[in-house]
Order: sequence, then structure tokens, then C-alpha cells
Amino acid sequence: DVKVTQSSRYLVKRTGEKVFLECVQDMDHENMFWYRQDPGLGLRLIYFSYDVKMKEKGDIPEGYSVSREKKERFSLILESASTNQTSMYLCASSLPLGLGYTFGSGTRLTVV
Amino acid sequence: SQQGEEDPQALSIQEGENATMNCSYKTSINNLQWYRQNSGRGLVHLILIRSNEREKHSGRLRVTLDTSKKSSSLLITASRAADTASYFCATDEANFGNEKLTFGTGTRLTIIP
Repeated sequence: DVKVTQSSRYLVKRTGEKVFLECVQDMDHENMFWYRQDPGLGLRLIYFSYDVKMKEKGDIPEGYSVSREKKERFSLILESASTNQTSMYLCASSLPLGLGYTFGSGTRLTVV
Repeated sequence: SQQGEEDPQALSIQEGENATMNCSYKTSINNLQWYRQNSGRGLVHLILIRSNEREKHSGRLRVTLDTSKKSSSLLITASRAADTASYFCATDEANFGNEKLTFGTGTRLTIIP
């Protein structure tokens, strides 16, 4: 069964910590995406990548960075976590064919 | 960004009834997709309709697209308790090239047994 795996379902971090959210897909997809989901705001795109070592800013990249050293892995980095980054983080992957995303189960991050 | 808007924000119906959700968007698109999200989980792709299509069916799902009104509807027929979830539309902006989806804020559907 093909899938996207996010390393943690729940995560609690302290303000100022550097946080790594990992996402791995086993479908050989070129495209990978990081969204955050907040009540009333829907899903907002943080960063995306169309190939290894490529990254593009989404709609809300401030406070985040990403790394894609291997095709199957796309990491989201919070350089210095803040309480307003408390959210559900969703990783997704897709082929460049417009056939839809496959999502991971999400990581609910709480910054205290 | 061209965010889709779902309507209604929340919908409660009796099991067996049909559920209709609507989505509006702002600019030209390549395709429009619908996703389902069970509470606290990731999204699951349901159906995709391309900009040159007007209607598409998949099982109990029926999607329509009106590009002149920049709107779409998702109909779930003969609803079941397991259909309880949030439903999101997502649009793939035309002329962008590679797929990058913009999601709406979702409709929360509750099926009452």
C-alpha cells in the first residue's frame, strides 16, 4: 500500500527550539508539499519541492525552511519555534500529472 | 492566493439522505479536486474534474463544474455514518505548470444515524 509517512503524530516543543518534521513517501513522486491547517483558515501552503534539492516558497514560508536531499524525503524545519506555529502540519506528494495528492496522517505540533 | 470557499461551512443530515456541498474559486483552473478528511487525520483524494468537463461520477459521488461561474458541487448520495468528515475542494491554477493546489476552508459533514 503506497503511502506518505510523517514521523510523529503528536509533538510538543518549547519556544525557541529548532524543530524538524520529517516526511517520507514510497511512491517515487517528484512533487512534495508542506501545508499547515488551522481552524477557519483551511490548508495553507508553506513550501513545496518539484525535485531533489529544489524548493519553492508557498504562501506562508516565514519562520520555516525545508530540505530535500533525497527524492523520497522532504523535511520541514522550524528554525526557532514560536507559539503561533502551533498547528496541524500536513505533508503530501504527487506526480507532475495533475492526478491528485497523497497526504500523510499529519503531525499536530504544540509549541509551549 | 485563489482560495476556494466551501458552502455551507457545516451540514448535518439523516443517514440515507443526499448531501450537497458547494465550492467557489477565483481564477482560471486546470482542474478541481475534492478531498475528505476524517477528524485529526490527513486528507484523502476523492475525485478530480478537469476544466473541460462538466460532470463526473465515482460511486456515490457526483461532481459538477461550472467554469463560467467558477463553482463546483459535490453530491454524496445515500449518505452513511462513515461519510461523516470534512470535505475540501482544491484548485490547480491554470498556466502555473506543475501541480500546486490551493484548498478551501472545508465543509464539516455530519451524518446522523
